[in-house]
Amino acid sequence: EIVLTQSPGTLSLPPGERATLSCRASQSVGRNYLAWYQQKNGQAPRLLIHGATSRATGIPDRFSGSGSGTDFTLTITRLEPQDFGVYYCHQYAYSPLTFGGGTKVEIK
Amino acid sequence: QVLLQESGPRLVKPSETLSLTCTVSGDSFSSGYWSWFRQPPGKGPEWIGYVHFSGDTKYDASLEGRVTISLDTSKHQFSLNLRFVTAADTALYFCTRGGGWLVDVWGKGTTVIVSA
Repeated sequence: EIVLTQSPGTLSLPPGERATLSCRASQSVGRNYLAWYQQKNGQAPRLLIHGATSRATGIPDRFSGSGSGTDFTLTITRLEPQDFGVYYCHQYAYSPLTFGGGTKVEIK
Repeated sequence: QVLLQESGPRLVKPSETLSLTCTVSGDSFSSGYWSWFRQPPGKGPEWIGYVHFSGDTKYDASLEGRVTISLDTSKHQFSLNLRFVTAADTALYFCTRGGGWLVDVWGKGTTVIVSA
C-alpha cells in the first residue's frame, strides 16, 4: 500500500498570499497518477488537479500541481477567502487507492 | 451532467449489514468504474472498492470478505453491502464514478452510524 504523507498539517495565511502544500509518497506513484482534492466540511471532495499537474475542468489557474515520483506539491497563488478547507492528495495508480492525511488551510 | 445520489439507512446495529444504494442519472453503465469511498469522522477518505461496468469487482483488502459491490444497470443503480459492522464502520459514505481509477464525479455522501 502506498502511504501518502502531507505537510504541513495546518496552514494559516492571509488572502493574497501563496500557499505551498506538500505530499510525499512511500514509493513512486506510477505514471504520476496523483490528484489533489479540496474538501469543505461535510461536502464531497472537489477535484483540483489530476496527473500531478493537470487542472480539472473549471479550476482557476491559481491552483497548480507539480512533482513526480514520490514528491508532489500543490501551490495556490493569491489565496482567496473561499480557498479554506482541507486539501488531500490521492494516488490512483495502484490498488488500494489511498489518500494523504490532509492539510487544513485557514484564511486569516 | 452526471449525478449520483446515495440512499439507505442512517443507523445500523452492530453485527448487522450496512446496505447503501447509489442512483445514477445522466450516464449509462456502458463504461467506467463505480466506486464506494467512506470518510470516518475527522479523517481522510478511504477507498472501499469498485465494480467495473463489465461486472468485475475489486475491494480494499481490509474489508475483503465483508464487502460486496454490485451493479443493477436496469435500475441505473449500484450498491454497497458491508456485513458484520462495528462502530469503526461509522462514516460518511460516498458513491463515485471514474473513467479509470480517478474519480471524476462524487455523490453528496450519506452518514451512516453504527450503534445499538
